[in-house]
Amino acid sequence: EPEVTQTPSHQVTQMGQEVILRCVPISNHLYFYWYRQILGQKVEFLVSFYNNEISEKSEIFDDQFSVERPDGSNFTLKIRSTKLEDSAMYFCASSGVWTGHGYTFGSGTRLTVV
Amino acid sequence: GQQLNQSPQSMFIQEGEDVSMNCTSSSIFNTWLWYKQDPGEGPVLLIALYKAGELTSNGRLTAQFGITRKDSFLNISASIPSDVGIYFCAVTPFSGNTPLVFGKGTRLSVIA
Repeated sequence: EPEVTQTPSHQVTQMGQEVILRCVPISNHLYFYWYRQILGQKVEFLVSFYNNEISEKSEIFDDQFSVERPDGSNFTLKIRSTKLEDSAMYFCASSGVWTGHGYTFGSGTRLTVV
Repeated sequence: GQQLNQSPQSMFIQEGEDVSMNCTSSSIFNTWLWYKQDPGEGPVLLIALYKAGELTSNGRLTAQFGITRKDSFLNISASIPSDVGIYFCAVTPFSGNTPLVFGKGTRLSVIA
């Protein structure tokens, strides 16, 4: 079964530092997403990415965040100058041609900002 | 933004019991999806519903897309310990590349 792979599984960083969360989507998928889940809360949309550009972003995804697809396989989320409230699970997801089929999520990266 | 009301927020049931949870909205959606999240994992798609009134099963799970297109329910029959987790409904507001919107989840605990 194809899967979305995320690394690292857990990242601890000091407040103010930059972090890069990495994802390898399913190889023939065209749409890529980042979602965030603060502990005990719902899964929240951050950004979608298609054809090498952001297609949609939420109000959470401000100038502190950026995404990149540096090569044909990786999809990264960069968080600059991390804040305590950035602590959360970050999930990468990908989908095929029609997103109505639902996404395949990775296992997530737990980000802890101290 | 889109608001999904998912209930109940949590459930404690005995193994073998049936479970029912639902999701409602004031808006119409074209697709309803149900995901399950195990502890420390990402959500996994259980069932996808595409037509109003559609009733779909996946093993012990059954889900329905409400006729008004504003609600959906998920039933789990004869629950087992591995059913423990958080169940999320999700919708796509429009067809095409629009992001999923998730409900707040129903946390299910199964007592053996």
